[in-house]
Amino acid sequence: QVQLQESGPGLVKPSETLSLTCTVSGGSISRYYWSWIRQPPGKGLDWIGYIYYSGSTNYNPSLKSRVTISKDTSKNQFSLKLSSVTAADTAVYYCARVQYDFFFEYWGQGTLVTVSS
Amino acid sequence: QSALTQPASVSGSPGQSITISCTGTSSDVGGYKYVSWYQQHPGKAPKLMIYDVSNRPSGVSNRFSGSKSGNTASLTISGLQAEDEADYYCSSYTSNSTYVFGTGTKVTVL
Repeated sequence: QVQLQESGPGLVKPSETLSLTCTVSGGSISRYYWSWIRQPPGKGLDWIGYIYYSGSTNYNPSLKSRVTISKDTSKNQFSLKLSSVTAADTAVYYCARVQYDFFFEYWGQGTLVTVSS
Repeated sequence: QSALTQPASVSGSPGQSITISCTGTSSDVGGYKYVSWYQQHPGKAPKLMIYDVSNRPSGVSNRFSGSKSGNTASLTISGLQAEDEADYYCSSYTSNSTYVFGTGTKVTVL
């Protein structure tokens, strides 16, 4: 059974860079697409972007200028960096595996990141 | 890209059937068979309920079914049970090779 676990700081200051890592167990990241999704408190899901096992990426156009997703195959991890954060970036951040039929099959439990000084 | 449109809330009595709609455009819902549905209980991660418009993953009750007509996809829950009370989100692959989620629907079991 594939499991995903997000990790990273729970508090980030405005204008700084949010950095999260997703550690995958029970399967290799050398297959499939791997995605980040966020959910502001009390609001809906917002797709951030994905990275393919080949290293190619694609991002939500609304976040594209601030987002970088990368991977470390040796650690079976992929990561999210979101720069110049504001309070609007406060959310629960989820990582997920994307099946080849374009659906989010496995999800991490999510991690709350608060942007505040 | 704009979020797919879902009703904010839907309710039903135990045993009844309810349907949640998910309206997009020809660039997402209408253009592909890649619509999926997720159930989210409070404080929990979303759970895949339907993929490729109408397919159920192993372990998901056959009370959940999906369909699509034009730019609108639908999730039907039949034989509504108390445990079905949750938020539901649709998602679609898009023409830009991105993904978009629906606005979310709160299902209440009366």
